Amino acid sequence: GAGVSQSPSNKVTEKGKDVELRCDPISGHTALYWYRQSLGQGLEFLIYFQGNSAPDKSGLPSDRFSAERTGGSVSTLTIQRTQQEDSAVYLCASSPINRATPTDTQYFGPGTRLTVL
Amino acid sequence: EDKVVQSPLSLVVHEGDTVTLNCSYEVTNFRSLLWYKQEKKAPTFLFMLTSSGIEKKSGRLSSILDKKELFSILNITATQTGDSAIYLCAVETYNTDKLIFGTGTRLQVFP
Repeated sequence: GAGVSQSPSNKVTEKGKDVELRCDPISGHTALYWYRQSLGQGLEFLIYFQGNSAPDKSGLPSDRFSAERTGGSVSTLTIQRTQQEDSAVYLCASSPINRATPTDTQYFGPGTRLTVL
Repeated sequence: EDKVVQSPLSLVVHEGDTVTLNCSYEVTNFRSLLWYKQEKKAPTFLFMLTSSGIEKKSGRLSSILDKKELFSILNITATQTGDSAIYLCAVETYNTDKLIFGTGTRLQVFP
């Protein structure tokens, strides 16, 4: 079956431009995470969506970062006025958390490599 | 296709038990294997392993890599309720700087 997909796989942009990164979770997965993997910084949580609940935005590093999840499926992470320190790999993961079979198993996408020049 | 598989997906133990978490991988141009502990939403780095047979240790946690059999184990001795978390395994290759993650093992430690 299809796993989590992300697009684009690579994105090069100029400082100050806006970018949109897309995540297609596994069909039926109610939970969706965005992480950032920076060189030497490890894995950083950004935002979490679970069903119709308000998203947990506690990891977003600044108000230039936002994310939405339309129809409980596809998610878009938007970075406005990109800065060089935004350069990183942005990872998305989805999880089949539901009341019937609660589990935290996360299925990671391949990531989007963002380079801000 | 590169892949990382963790087992078990879920583990429930009592305080004081010892647990072993497994991570196997099939990748080209292996570079390193990393273990993370994820409580709530934020993963924290535990270990990076690059060489076979050399145990890395931090308190009650230890990990070792077998590059011949393509797996790593994470051991936790004398478990405590604070060890309850998701343990993520990820592999780095020379092909790309993107990490390839397993699905994680959910560990629950009860008093």
